[in-house]
Amino acid sequence: QVQLVESGGGLVKPGGSLRLSCAVSGFTFSDHYMSWIRQAPGKGLEWVSYISTSGSAIYYADSVKGRFTISRDNAKNSLYLQMSSLRVEDTAVYYCARARGVGGVVYRFDYWGQGTLVTVSS
Amino acid sequence: QSALTQVTSVSGSPGQSITISCTGTSSDVGDYDHISWYQHHPGEAPKLMIYDVSNRPLGVSDRFSGSQSGNTASLTISGLQTEDEADYYCSSYTTGRTLVFGGGTKLTVL
Repeated sequence: QVQLVESGGGLVKPGGSLRLSCAVSGFTFSDHYMSWIRQAPGKGLEWVSYISTSGSAIYYADSVKGRFTISRDNAKNSLYLQMSSLRVEDTAVYYCARARGVGGVVYRFDYWGQGTLVTVSS
Repeated sequence: QSALTQVTSVSGSPGQSITISCTGTSSDVGDYDHISWYQHHPGEAPKLMIYDVSNRPLGVSDRFSGSQSGNTASLTISGLQTEDEADYYCSSYTTGRTLVFGGGTKLTVL
């Protein structure tokens, strides 16, 4: 069955960096766009970024643009999120999700992981 | 990329029907037919319940239905069951190939 397992979360100081990983199984990873979505404590979901099958097309939310970098390794069936210049407001559970759409445009997320918690605090 | 507007909470009794609304703008909900709804039991992975306004993925109960009118999308759950108690989020495609979520609605089944 489809499985997405996030890892790499933890406690980091403001201004610090962290790299999240998402290990995927149960489908052909290289055939699908992938995305990161986060949920701050007590808040709603917030789309963060998505990446095309080859990594050639990448989009970010304004709130993380210039600080976060999404990438993937199709040989390892893995998705990554490199987070730098972290802020207190980046504290959230980060979910990876399989993205679906048409013509290279993502419209929805049909499988999600259970998330990994990132806490940014001094 | 302002969040879509959802009522914070709704409640209903088993067997009843409830509707959750999701209001956006002419740049997202009002301009595209790519509205999705997600069910989230805290601590678990969110689950896609509705996509493209009114389509259900395989395996999702037909008690869940979606609709849209202008800048507002709606999720209706009929024949409420205790396991429907969860947080529900809408999402819309928006300009610039980005996506926006709603703030979420907590459904309580009394």
